[in-house]
Amino acid sequence: DTGVSQNPRHKITKRGQNVTFRCDPISEHNRLYWYRQTLGQGPEFLTYFQNEAQLEKSRLLSDRFSAERPKGSFSTLEIQRTEQGDSAMYLCASSYGTGVSTEAFFGQGTRLTVV
Amino acid sequence: AQSVTQLDSQVPVFEEAPVELRCNYSSSVSVYLFWYVQYPNQGLQLLLKYLSGSTLVKGINGFEAEFNKSQTSFHLRKPSVHISDTAEYFCAVSGVQSSGSRLTFGEGTQLTVNP
Repeated sequence: DTGVSQNPRHKITKRGQNVTFRCDPISEHNRLYWYRQTLGQGPEFLTYFQNEAQLEKSRLLSDRFSAERPKGSFSTLEIQRTEQGDSAMYLCASSYGTGVSTEAFFGQGTRLTVV
Repeated sequence: AQSVTQLDSQVPVFEEAPVELRCNYSSSVSVYLFWYVQYPNQGLQLLLKYLSGSTLVKGINGFEAEFNKSQTSFHLRKPSVHISDTAEYFCAVSGVQSSGSRLTFGEGTQLTVNP
């Protein structure tokens, strides 16, 4: 098991462009999370999937953000019309089980820079 | 809703000295508590967690933490640090009744171990 994989690791884009990130969770993990981490801050929850169902979205997730997990395996996070304020590290995590206490395993993140 | 306050943004220590990283939380419901470590350009790795039972929790790499309900604290300690412990440390909380293990993180404490 190679852990949670995120691609790309780095992305530089011009303001106004659309970007898409991919997350491959640990196989058989039914839960998948997206967090955003800006410099000097802790990660902030964005959204969460259980299998293919998106069960919770943060108010941080504006209409320009959309996340999918079509077959309950990998997930994509798309940001439309990027803004400089979107520059951050986007972290994906996965976990197995239904209990609240299940451990989340994090990927290495995708660092987005909007210029 | 929950919130986490990490009382020190930076903690410099010398190698082999003891260290304590402080974390206070606020919540209207019972919580689970976690400490994660993040090395440069890496994802987050779970150090330890408190779910229930003994208030003294032992984790990886010689770290331990003590849950104090009356003081709403979950401080992280290590009796003797190594250079390799230099990293960012995040305290996180999850409501026992919250869906999907959603974590609320503190802003992080940068631990720097000097020779």
